[in-house]
Amino acid sequence: DAMVIQNPRYQVTQFGKPVTLSCSQTLNHNVMYWYQQKSSQAPKLLFHYYDKDFNNEADTPDNFQSRRPNTSFCFLDIRSPGLGDAAMYLCATSRAGTGPNQPQHFGDGTRLSIL
Amino acid sequence: SQKIEQNSEALNIQEGKTATLTCNYTNYSPAYLQWYRQDPGRGPVFLLLIRENEKEKRKERLKVTFDTTLKQSLFHITASQPADSATYLCALGDSGAGSYQLTFGKGTKLSVIP
Repeated sequence: DAMVIQNPRYQVTQFGKPVTLSCSQTLNHNVMYWYQQKSSQAPKLLFHYYDKDFNNEADTPDNFQSRRPNTSFCFLDIRSPGLGDAAMYLCATSRAGTGPNQPQHFGDGTRLSIL
Repeated sequence: SQKIEQNSEALNIQEGKTATLTCNYTNYSPAYLQWYRQDPGRGPVFLLLIRENEKEKRKERLKVTFDTTLKQSLFHITASQPADSATYLCALGDSGAGSYQLTFGKGTKLSVIP
């Protein structure tokens, strides 16, 4: 089945130690998103790629970076994680440019803990 | 600033009853609205989409309404089952160049009691 896969499902890192989360998709969608979701909160969009074009949300901290080396893969890098960055990180994809209102397809997230 | 409110953080109903979840928004004129289901520790899963010119959409036991005058969407699950227990998120989208992006609400946690 076509899907969005996030690895790892759980990640523990130390305060200030860089960490990378990965996302891959077999849907061949042109848009990939990264969301941060804290307990009982709405998913908060960090940034997205429309094809190769990177789009950062205005309030996303500089500590968060992303890479999309090809259509299928996207990475979230947290350069110096703080305690406030502990959250679920969700990757999603959608097909844009083929008509409006396409649904987003989510992976099951990476739960990040900071020691 | 844009604001999305889902009526309550938690809703408990008896099995077999109809669950009604509310999504209200302010300072926003969305072109469409989507509903997602999220189970604990999992990513959201798309359920239904309704456009601003549509009053109602149905899919099996699910029904969504969209009232742009009241700035409100209602999400109904009829004949609810314990397996329907999950958090339900509404998400709003614009028209135009950014129409593929969504703004999510916090969700309502639904518990269906046997």
